[in-house]
Amino acid sequence: GAVVSQHPSRVICKSGTSVKIECRSLDFQATTMFWYRQFPKQSLMLMATSNEGSKATYEQGVEKDKFLINHASLTLSTLTVTSAHPEDSSFYICSASASSYNEQFFGPGTRLTVL
Amino acid sequence: RKEVEQDPGPFNVPEGATVAFNCTYSNSASQSFFWYRQDCRKEPKLLMSVYSSGNEDGRFTAQLNRASQYISLLIRDSKLSDSATYLCVAISGTSYGKLTFGQGTILTVHP
Repeated sequence: GAVVSQHPSRVICKSGTSVKIECRSLDFQATTMFWYRQFPKQSLMLMATSNEGSKATYEQGVEKDKFLINHASLTLSTLTVTSAHPEDSSFYICSASASSYNEQFFGPGTRLTVL
Repeated sequence: RKEVEQDPGPFNVPEGATVAFNCTYSNSASQSFFWYRQDCRKEPKLLMSVYSSGNEDGRFTAQLNRASQYISLLIRDSKLSDSATYLCVAISGTSYGKLTFGQGTILTVHP
């Protein structure tokens, strides 16, 4: 399958700071990227869908001003958690696909801990 | 009601056992279904797609019953390496590409 990377794999930050997570498709062009969040013992919940060159579509209940998504190229999408708080601590996973109809390939995830 | 529901388990079975997981979905417009496997603190990985006619991949058999909105996964001859969380996933019929995950079923295979 295709390879998707995420960076960083783990981040610990103080409350109030902003954290940027990168998602890269390494061997294919990802027209569509998805951002998920997974709290302990819970399933993955889709946060937003981003298409290259256009604004992200956020799921209900996800604040677009808090979770900034940029998908400026066909191989890179970024998620910025602004003014992070302890309740934002979670496992953030991205996935990428060549189109919204194709199989999604998941990144290894980023574990965010906000103190 | 959750859109995709699974029995969270955990299932603890000995090596060589056969184990079955069930999943139900509430959105009748859901078009495609999958089973993913997720190891602890890792990303989910696609295990297999689920077809109406039923499909098999080695020791794994998946079934879909659209009338009952029910999906199953059967694992035969369980291995220690099968220990993981198994996620039932549906693709929404109204929003292409959006994967809806069940909460997962935890399987532990012991010697």
